[in-house]
Amino acid sequence: GENVEQHPSTLSVQEGDSAVIKCTYSDSASNYFPWYKQELGKGPQLIIDIRSNVGEKKDQRIAVTLNKTAKHFSLHITETQPEDSAVYFCAASIRDSGYSTLTFGKGTMLLVSP
Amino acid sequence: DAGVIQSPRHEVTEMGQEVTLRCKPISGHNSLFWYRQTMMRGLELLIYFNNNVPIDDSGMPEDRFSAKMPNASFSTLKIQPSEPRDSAVYFCASSLGRFNQPQHFGDGTRLSIL
Repeated sequence: GENVEQHPSTLSVQEGDSAVIKCTYSDSASNYFPWYKQELGKGPQLIIDIRSNVGEKKDQRIAVTLNKTAKHFSLHITETQPEDSAVYFCAASIRDSGYSTLTFGKGTMLLVSP
Repeated sequence: DAGVIQSPRHEVTEMGQEVTLRCKPISGHNSLFWYRQTMMRGLELLIYFNNNVPIDDSGMPEDRFSAKMPNASFSTLKIQPSEPRDSAVYFCASSLGRFNQPQHFGDGTRLSIL
């Protein structure tokens, strides 16, 4: 089955700096890669996603890049703010028997200090 | 718009008791997923439904776990009998369609088995 590795497990930055979180996946058939933000006591919230026919996608301060050859994808957050502090999860989707499911990375705890 | 609604938010019970977790997916969504989140294992997919039919329950840890979806607006996850190692946060998510669609999560049920 699919295996998703996520790094780093924790990331501390100063407000205004950029943050980068990286993920690798094992199954070359994976074709959908969402990123989720989870705040304390809440469920994961989708913040951005990318499909295998696209190399990069941007939404305001958040961008995701995908390298299918190397089987890795990254989340970039620019001009970080304290409210960006949360746990971020990457995921990879694979189609199997007519359905698709997500395999999640173990998460990155991002701390943005004022 | 109402998101995915889970109840109860917190459950504390003694070992051996039956536990029932409830989920109301987003109206119109036809795929429903149950996940378990722990520090050690991260987010694990337990079971998923499409059009109220269970598609894959290979993630269900033991026969003590069962899930049902009697209609498009309600699903339950039951543990009987419960054990301390079942303590975790259980999430329900829903999506529109079968392939690579964004999954929307509820805020979870924090389950503690004493």
